[in-house]
Amino acid sequence: DGGITQSPKYLFRKEGQNVTLSCEQNLNHDAMYWYRQDPGQGLRLIYYSQIVNDFQKGDIAEGYSVSREKKESFPLTVTSAQKNPTAFYLCASSIGLDGQETQYFGPGTRLLVL
Amino acid sequence: GDSVTQMEGPVTLSEEAFLTINCTYTATGYPSLFWYVQYPGEGLQLLLKATKADDKGSNKGFEATYRKETTSFHLEKGSVQVSDSAVYFCALRGTGTASKLTFGTGTRLQVTL
Repeated sequence: DGGITQSPKYLFRKEGQNVTLSCEQNLNHDAMYWYRQDPGQGLRLIYYSQIVNDFQKGDIAEGYSVSREKKESFPLTVTSAQKNPTAFYLCASSIGLDGQETQYFGPGTRLLVL
Repeated sequence: GDSVTQMEGPVTLSEEAFLTINCTYTATGYPSLFWYVQYPGEGLQLLLKATKADDKGSNKGFEATYRKETTSFHLEKGSVQVSDSAVYFCALRGTGTASKLTFGTGTRLQVTL
């Protein structure tokens, strides 16, 4: 089955620690995205990538970093500079960046701070 | 900039009741419009979409019509089921901002027997 997988489902971070969230897709999509979801709010875009080795900042990129070394993988690192990291993180992908194309979402990773 | 406004929830309905969740938007040009659904503890699933004015998206008994004149994309279903209980997000993808989905804050629907 084609789809998007995210791991782990739950992740705990200690103060001052960097953590990396995994996102893998086997849909052969060129574009991938990371969103953050907070309670009672819509999703906000952190980073997106159109092609391998290229990515752009979204609306709330501070305190996060990404890499796109392979087409199918787009890991997100939450750095110690992100002061309020507790949230639900969603990865998505689409065939390209055309405005009419659908974005498909993974199941999400919930990050909690110890 | 682009924005999406949804009616606040939670919306509580009895099974078989009629559902409307209002969504209005602000964007330049002709954005594509989407409804996503999120079940507890899960990611978002595309429910339906419309890419031009007067288009009607439909899926699983839900439908929404892209109204350019009222900048709206209200979600409707004639008879809801308990299994429809979830959070519903309206979203748009603007022209000239092909990389980004702009989401509303979500509307929680609770359907009871």
